[in-house]
Amino acid sequence: QVQLVESGGGVVQFGRSLRLSCAASGFTFSSNAIHWVRQAPGKGLEWVAVIWYDGSNKYYADSVKGRFTISRDNSKNTLYLQMNSLRVEDTAVYYCAKGKTSGGTVDYWGQGTMVTVSS
Amino acid sequence: DIVMTQTPLSSPVTLGQPASISCRSSQSLVQSDGNTYLSWLQQRPGQPPRLLIYKISNRFSGVPDRFSGSGAGTDFTLKISRVEAEDVGVYYCMQGTQFPWTFGQGTKVEIK
Repeated sequence: QVQLVESGGGVVQFGRSLRLSCAASGFTFSSNAIHWVRQAPGKGLEWVAVIWYDGSNKYYADSVKGRFTISRDNSKNTLYLQMNSLRVEDTAVYYCAKGKTSGGTVDYWGQGTMVTVSS
Repeated sequence: DIVMTQTPLSSPVTLGQPASISCRSSQSLVQSDGNTYLSWLQQRPGQPPRLLIYKISNRFSGVPDRFSGSGAGTDFTLKISRVEAEDVGVYYCMQGTQFPWTFGQGTKVEIK
């Protein structure tokens, strides 16, 4: 079955960096776009970034553009999110989610990893 | 960015009764390929979101048939024909037509 397992979250100071990972299994990782979506405590969902199946295209939310970088290693079935210049408002649970092959949505989600940015 | 607006934000429902959630987008969600990428997601308490409906009305694998989606263009609806206890949670509409993808604010479904 499809599994997505995020890791790398934790407490980090304002302005510092953190790298999240998402280990995938149960599907052909190299065939699907993968997304990051976050959820601040008690709030709704916010789409963060996507990377195409082969890494050829990447898109970001304006709120993270220039600070976050999405990447993937298809040989390791792993997705990454490098987060630099972290802000208090980046505090959230970060989910990785598999893009549905037919496009336009995500069909499987990980359990999420919590990132807390302290001032 | 496309703004997604859900109503109501809270929906107390009696078990066995129907529930309905509306979602309106600030612009048409019809993509150049002819598809309308409007999805509905369910988030139970303490859980990650789960895909229920994609492309307006297609139920995802394993989703009970009491869930149905409808609509077109900018107006969409999720209906639960008979609410069960396991349906408690927050429901989000999401557009995947244009980046950045955007979500509605969420509608909390709870049992009266």
